[in-house]
Amino acid sequence: DSGVTQTPKHLITATGQRVTLRCSPRSGDLSVYWYQQSLDQGLQFLIHYYNGEERAKGNILERFSAQQFPDLHSELNLSSLELGDSALYFCASSVVVGGSTEAFFGQGTRLTVV
Amino acid sequence: LAKTTQPISMDSYEGQEVNITCSHNNIATNDYITWYQQFPSQGPRFIIQGYKTKVTNEVASLFIPADRKSSTLSLPRVSLSDTAVYYCLVGRNNNDMRFGAGTRLTVKP
Repeated sequence: DSGVTQTPKHLITATGQRVTLRCSPRSGDLSVYWYQQSLDQGLQFLIHYYNGEERAKGNILERFSAQQFPDLHSELNLSSLELGDSALYFCASSVVVGGSTEAFFGQGTRLTVV
Repeated sequence: LAKTTQPISMDSYEGQEVNITCSHNNIATNDYITWYQQFPSQGPRFIIQGYKTKVTNEVASLFIPADRKSSTLSLPRVSLSDTAVYYCLVGRNNNDMRFGAGTRLTVKP
């Protein structure tokens, strides 16, 4: 158990709909990262939040948005869903010790768009 | 951002030592090198991290030459359960958490 919790574990929805994925980082971790992984593909970096502020943005579609709340949990909102958005979505939190970073990943949310 | 290059795939047999090399020619002075392992449908898991020379833990060893332009993850005596994708990342302070394509290791009986 990495200590990072993602909900829901599975989600099936129709095209055009909107969903929200939730991530609770490990206690004390200020950074949250979101990734998308399509079938047999690599991890696509979406966005990084640190203590409520956006730090870096990857290839995140305009239909997607995220935020990190004061209690440090984060939500990834996906709207106007398309079949191609079907993927595993991972969240990670990280700890920095003397400049080095170790990330801890949740078990992911499997999104299926039908 | 330091870019990394790894072999797309590797095959090995149970009991062998596996070495996966990652090239990172543009590594910055303060960057660390970190390796993650990912099993199908699971989130990546931290394996090992280093800055220079050699680091060893209960799972693997990491060899980093003096110029730090590459690094080698060494897995001793692999088993079938080591079949996974291995990612090399280079960065510092929560930055550069972008994963490349990784190396798909297949361990055969």
